[in-house]
Amino acid sequence: GAVVSQHPSWVICKSGTSVKIECRSLDFQATTMFWYRQFPKQSLMLMATSNEGSKATYEQGVEKDKFLINHASLTLSTLTVTSAHPEDSSFYICSARERGLAASDTQYFGPGTRLTVL
Amino acid sequence: AQSVSQHNHHVILSEAASLELGCNYSYGGTVNLFWYVQYPGQHLQLLLKYFSGDPLVKGIKGFEAEFIKSKFSFNLRKPSVQWSDTAEYFCAVRDYGNNRLAFGKGNQVVVIP
Repeated sequence: GAVVSQHPSWVICKSGTSVKIECRSLDFQATTMFWYRQFPKQSLMLMATSNEGSKATYEQGVEKDKFLINHASLTLSTLTVTSAHPEDSSFYICSARERGLAASDTQYFGPGTRLTVL
Repeated sequence: AQSVSQHNHHVILSEAASLELGCNYSYGGTVNLFWYVQYPGQHLQLLLKYFSGDPLVKGIKGFEAEFIKSKFSFNLRKPSVQWSDTAEYFCAVRDYGNNRLAFGKGNQVVVIP
């Protein structure tokens, strides 16, 4: 149980285009999903917290107009990198917290999406 | 904002050796503590977690961690490693007041057969 998928796993795009990354909880409902960014040999940095049916909460320094997050259902959150530039190239990872389990509150992680902007 | 420190980013050891990875955090309030593992080419998986109770926590694959509140530490241990333990290990801390997980920079562990 508790599987989180991401699609695509790897995407290459041209500078200036937009890229959408999907995060799905496959066997549970997730009221909260989190988006992280991981640079090579560095830790995961939280970008934003996505709550179903409401606006995402962005961490300091993360441009909300550049990284658009939509959490339209209890099993799907999307991250759109708008007008991507080479410096946006990174590994993007989502995680999901299962609905109704506030006490145990474990986050389950997706496999990540590698974005390369040319 | 809290910070999480993991030292000795690269650890190389032989099979059957003992492993200990340090994790220290800066937050002074109530925290939830986690160790995640990322095997090569795979996603992050939860090894173990501490919320309350016995500060010695046992996780999967023979790993355990001890929460020492006075030292703000949550060190991970395994008495005898195997080649299959080659992976990157991340310590993460969540302070009770919010949802955010703060991660350490990770330990790259290589076990030589």
